[in-house]
Amino acid sequence: AQSVTQPDIHITVSEGASLELRCNYSYGATPYLFWYVQSPGQGLQLLLKYFSGDTLVQGIKGFEAEFKRSQSSFNLRKPSVHWSDAAEYFCAAKDLNQAGTALIFGKGTTLSVSS
Amino acid sequence: DSGVTQTPKHLITATGQRVTLRCSPRSGDLSVYWYQQSLDQGLQFLIQYYNGEERAKGNILERFSAQQFPDLHSELNLSSLELGDSALYFCASSVSGVPGNTIYFGEGSWLTVV
Repeated sequence: AQSVTQPDIHITVSEGASLELRCNYSYGATPYLFWYVQSPGQGLQLLLKYFSGDTLVQGIKGFEAEFKRSQSSFNLRKPSVHWSDAAEYFCAAKDLNQAGTALIFGKGTTLSVSS
Repeated sequence: DSGVTQTPKHLITATGQRVTLRCSPRSGDLSVYWYQQSLDQGLQFLIQYYNGEERAKGNILERFSAQQFPDLHSELNLSSLELGDSALYFCASSVSGVPGNTIYFGEGSWLTVV
């Protein structure tokens, strides 16, 4: 079955330090890949998405992600974390088995930012 | 603000009861999705509608049903509620059924079953 795995449940990063959140997927073909962020009490906001082309995609709030087919990964990065980045981050992929366009989500990674 | 509106924001009900969650998609969006978020299961896709028709079905229980009305708003009906149904229910919408469309999420409806 297709799946999205986020190996890290919780990560703590110092403010100003770099960040990398890991995401692995299991799909036969190139999936559509997404990163969403959920702040406490809020809905999910799209950070960036990848469909094809340049494997390094830029998103909002200074985030970027790199698609690596050989590693089945789509890791999210940010060069300098701000305290406001503390939230839960979800990697998602298009479910190719579904007739529609629903997404499969990973379990999420909670990011804490220390001062 | 994503433009997706969900009501109610919070709901407490007893086991065995039935509730209806309502969703208004972003203006112009034809596709509506329902997701359930719980601590143990994470974000689970329930069902998708496109322009009034069911497009895809995920892990939706038989006790749950949904529909999308001609004005494109959607309702998720949860019946014979169990404690395990306590979760955050998200509605989301996108312009069409094209995979590349961005899916926008509402802020969710918190359901607590006691």
